[in-house]
Amino acid sequence: ETGVTQSPTHLIKTRGQQVTLRCSSQSGHNTVSWYQQALGQGPQFIFQYYREEENGRGNFPPRFSGLQFPNYSSELNVNALELDDSALYLCASSPETAMNTEAFFGQGTRLTVV
Amino acid sequence: EDQVTQSPEALRLQEGESSSLNCSYTVSGLRGLFWYRQDPGKGPEFLFTLYSAGEEKEKERLKATLTKKESFLHITAPKPEDSATYLCAVQDGGSNYQLIWGAGTKLIIKP
Repeated sequence: ETGVTQSPTHLIKTRGQQVTLRCSSQSGHNTVSWYQQALGQGPQFIFQYYREEENGRGNFPPRFSGLQFPNYSSELNVNALELDDSALYLCASSPETAMNTEAFFGQGTRLTVV
Repeated sequence: EDQVTQSPEALRLQEGESSSLNCSYTVSGLRGLFWYRQDPGKGPEFLFTLYSAGEEKEKERLKATLTKKESFLHITAPKPEDSATYLCAVQDGGSNYQLIWGAGTKLIIKP
């Protein structure tokens, strides 16, 4: 059973550019959630995908968008990068959208915007 | 508005010195309270889920408890490998399954 994997692990982008982060969910999991974690803070929910459809969204602007593929892997796209977008981006997968289900996290992608 | 507050922000203990971490929450109907451990540069690792006041769960040197307003993570006779940031998160009755997280407690166990 493979865990959640994210790529790349580190990334440096220039303000105004666009970035795509990738996540492979754990085997058997059909739900993927994305979080942004600033240094010294807890994760902030961006959105969740269930069976290729967005299933919920946090307080993030539309320039944060995502996709989920038939194999349940997922992408997070961020357009028009801002300096404040610098953070650790975490992907978490779970077996279903039901409440009280533990989520398994990847190691994250550290994004630095300069 | 849902809110999760963890205290203290940081805690330094000697190996073997037991203590507790606190997670206070305000939610409109708790569906679940989660404890995670996070090592530097890594994603959070699931520890426990608690569903209702009075519930307790244990794993090795860790024990989590829940009341209607807060949760405690008790650590008994900690070892240096228990050093990490411990995160608390809640899921409320009206949310779209998102977790609301605290800022974490950074725990350092000195040998």
